[in-house]
Amino acid sequence: AQSVTQLGSHVSVSEGALVLLRCNYSSSVPPYLFWYVQYPNQGLQLLLKYTTGATLVKGINGFEAEFKKSETSFHLTKPSAHMSDAAEYFCAVTLRGSARQLTFGSGTQLTVLP
Amino acid sequence: GAVVSQHPSWVICKSGTSVKIECRSLDFQATTMFWYRQFPKQSLMLMATSNEGSKATYEQGVEKDKFLINHASLTLSTLTVTSAHPEDSSFYICSANERGLRDTQYFGPGTRLTVL
Repeated sequence: AQSVTQLGSHVSVSEGALVLLRCNYSSSVPPYLFWYVQYPNQGLQLLLKYTTGATLVKGINGFEAEFKKSETSFHLTKPSAHMSDAAEYFCAVTLRGSARQLTFGSGTQLTVLP
Repeated sequence: GAVVSQHPSWVICKSGTSVKIECRSLDFQATTMFWYRQFPKQSLMLMATSNEGSKATYEQGVEKDKFLINHASLTLSTLTVTSAHPEDSSFYICSANERGLRDTQYFGPGTRLTVL
């Protein structure tokens, strides 16, 4: 079984500041890890994913995340926040070789202050 | 590429009626589709997994007779909420795996169901 913990249900940053959203996972086998963004009343949009290979993955809108196996973490970062980044962010994990069922974290609401 | 659509985007119905929600993969073939439910300010909860041409697999606690899922083709899955009640009001989101690329799910825009 796998699980995902997102530390901080709400994160506020100033426009132009660093964005750091935390995600830790628990998995008995090597996982696939994902970050999704959800704007109000919309579905989820894939930001980035880690499957194999390079542990630092770059996604859309300037976001990136680093898979750290020793820390069981997959934190999402962006060097400079933009007002349009305000949204709900979900970290998710699935197991390799599984039916690709995603297990989601509880989500982090990002607020960007002017 | 990899666009998933849902119809309708929102629906209001009376208690006791049935509502059908469609999920379509527009530019790819989806071997597996997933249905999620999301309550306000909460995460997504997987309801069921459906594979084209076979019966859906429901998560524990999800009533299969109430939430009927049909995956008749590689591009279409439907969720029917039967005899809807106010507690069924929620945001329903589908997702799909692209055939041959099972490591990523693409999500639809969601359907807001309100049962009066």
